[in-house]
Amino acid sequence: EAQVTQNPRYLITVTGKKLTVTCSQNMNHEYMSWYRQDPGLGLRQIYYSMNVEVTDKGDVPEGYKVSRKEKRNFPLILESPSPNQTSLYFCASSLMGGENIQYFGAGTRLSVL
Amino acid sequence: GEDVEQSLFLSVREGDSSVINCTYTDSSSTYLYWYKQEPGAGLQLLTYIFSNMDMKQDQRLTVLLNKKDKHLSLRIADTQTGDSAIYFCAEGRGGNKLTFGTGTQLKVEL
Repeated sequence: EAQVTQNPRYLITVTGKKLTVTCSQNMNHEYMSWYRQDPGLGLRQIYYSMNVEVTDKGDVPEGYKVSRKEKRNFPLILESPSPNQTSLYFCASSLMGGENIQYFGAGTRLSVL
Repeated sequence: GEDVEQSLFLSVREGDSSVINCTYTDSSSTYLYWYKQEPGAGLQLLTYIFSNMDMKQDQRLTVLLNKKDKHLSLRIADTQTGDSAIYFCAEGRGGNKLTFGTGTQLKVEL
């Protein structure tokens, strides 16, 4: 089954404790992206990657890091989480170009205390 | 500006039609999309329209695009309780970037 898998689904942590949210896709997509969803703000892009070892900042990259060592994986790293990073996070993937149909993971709800 | 705008809430009665509106900003957008988010789930693509089309129909869904006014709408015919969700419009800009609206919470009442 074609899917984007995120882990964990729920995470409660404390300020400053490094964490990683994993994202994996099995569709051989070149493009992968991380979004955060906040009430009244919709989805905002954090980082994206157009292929292995190619990453770039989205609209709200501050406080986040990503890596793309393999095509299928695109982890999101919070080196020193802060309460304003409490949010719902989504990973998405798609083929490059064409109709740009993006497939989304189920989401990770993060609370930073 | 950069914002894609949607109204935040819409309430309809079961069996009625729902119309969700969206105003986008980039006249060069090639595709425009509607995504549905059910509680506790990710976003699921409902439908999309190429920018050179005015209308697209897919079963109960009708998408209308007015490029002059940069206005996109999604009509759901015979709305059911299972249609209760958040609906996001999104525009495809350069590369694979999608810019999303704020989302419209659709509530279907019996």
